Amino acid sequence: DIQMTQSPSTLSASVGDRVTITCRASQSISSWLAWYQQKPGKAPKLLIYKASSLESGVPSRFSGSGSGTEFTLTISSLQPDDFATYYCQQYNSYWRFGQGTKVEIK
Amino acid sequence: QVQLVQSGADVRKPGASVKVSCRSSRYTFTTYYIHWVRQAPGQGLDWMGIINPTGGSTSYAQKFQGRVTMTSDTSTSTVYMELSSLRSEDTAVYYCARGGIIPNLHEAFDVWGQGTMVTVSS
Repeated sequence: DIQMTQSPSTLSASVGDRVTITCRASQSISSWLAWYQQKPGKAPKLLIYKASSLESGVPSRFSGSGSGTEFTLTISSLQPDDFATYYCQQYNSYWRFGQGTKVEIK
Repeated sequence: QVQLVQSGADVRKPGASVKVSCRSSRYTFTTYYIHWVRQAPGQGLDWMGIINPTGGSTSYAQKFQGRVTMTSDTSTSTVYMELSSLRSEDTAVYYCARGGIIPNLHEAFDVWGQGTMVTVSS
């Protein structure tokens, strides 16, 4: 099974900050990686697919990069609506999520 | 707007089964895979399995093998997830989510149901 490890688990930041979340796969997953945003009591929302492709309707301050085993999600300028939990997901072999990164207000 | 609408919250006793439904609208039901994902309170996302709504072929995560059954009804554009031998650790929100266009398995989940809370308690 491919394991996904996110870091950090929690991130404290302020509005306007540049934020980066890292996701590592236990083996190469090519570019078969997605990022989701989840707010309390809501279903996850797809932000990025295929490592760096922005889902339609998602603000351009979100970007993804990486391939193989190392990936990052970057929010260029954190907005009040961005405080949430973020999950990476590999879909190279079956489907598995990282443990999540909570972005909270500093 | 493309939607997946799930059945309402349910409470079950340990050892019982639960069946959650997921109805699709505004897209061709038989074109896309459907996945099931669960989330225990305060925990992360756990992939349970996938179903091809046409023909009903399935693949389940190993931890749920033998306890989960996913089925589809093309006449009502609905898929079902049944989990048996429930225990307290199965208390969670269960989500259905749309995957790739059949037969492409390498796709993220672009549309999600609203979630169904299942509580297992005596």
